[in-house]
Amino acid sequence: QKEVEQNSGPLSVPEGAIASLNCTYSDRGSQSFFWYRQYSGKSPELIMSIYSNGDKEDGRFTAQLNKASQYVSLLIRDSQPSDSATYLCAVRLRGYSSASKIIFGSGTRLSIRP
Amino acid sequence: KAGVTQTPRYLIKTRGQQVTLSCSPISGHRSVSWYQQTPGQGLQFLFEYFSETQRNKGNFPGRFSGRQFSNSRSEMNVSTLELGDSALYLCASSLEMAGEQYFGPGTRLTVT
Repeated sequence: QKEVEQNSGPLSVPEGAIASLNCTYSDRGSQSFFWYRQYSGKSPELIMSIYSNGDKEDGRFTAQLNKASQYVSLLIRDSQPSDSATYLCAVRLRGYSSASKIIFGSGTRLSIRP
Repeated sequence: KAGVTQTPRYLIKTRGQQVTLSCSPISGHRSVSWYQQTPGQGLQFLFEYFSETQRNKGNFPGRFSGRQFSNSRSEMNVSTLELGDSALYLCASSLEMAGEQYFGPGTRLTVT
């Protein structure tokens, strides 16, 4: 089992709809979770971080964390063509410690169709 | 505030050579991490430095090494280059360890 798993996509969503991106992780002790967006040929850009169970909203983006199910998701409301990119889920394993490291999922390719 | 900078942006080397890549973190950030990104393997963690000490290391051979200087700038070195080392090498900085990471533009290394 991979440490961080994402559906590779592509996920095709009509403009204006809600895009839902999902990620599961294997280490129950993980405490820090991040979503990055990566456009083709560019480096990853941090969208959101989440540390507690529940929802965290920032503009059109909402991150959802369920530690019991080892599941983190990202919702994008009112999807725009500029949201078309690869979305990377990242998990810092074993929580806040100097021995922890961040593991990235393989990414989900999102395509917003006009 | 300036972002993370990496030099050089592009590099072409031949097998057997060595290469040094440089990363300057965001001002005030003390942690620097390095990643390798390839189409087949995705984003793979190389190592993380904090206060000039390597705090964590990924599953890469000893040919991959790094260091961090007192001003938090970091370098990574790859010796005896192999074709499979062709990749985008990304540096990310964070304020503290375990914090949010911000990526530089990357160095595209091609080994021929």
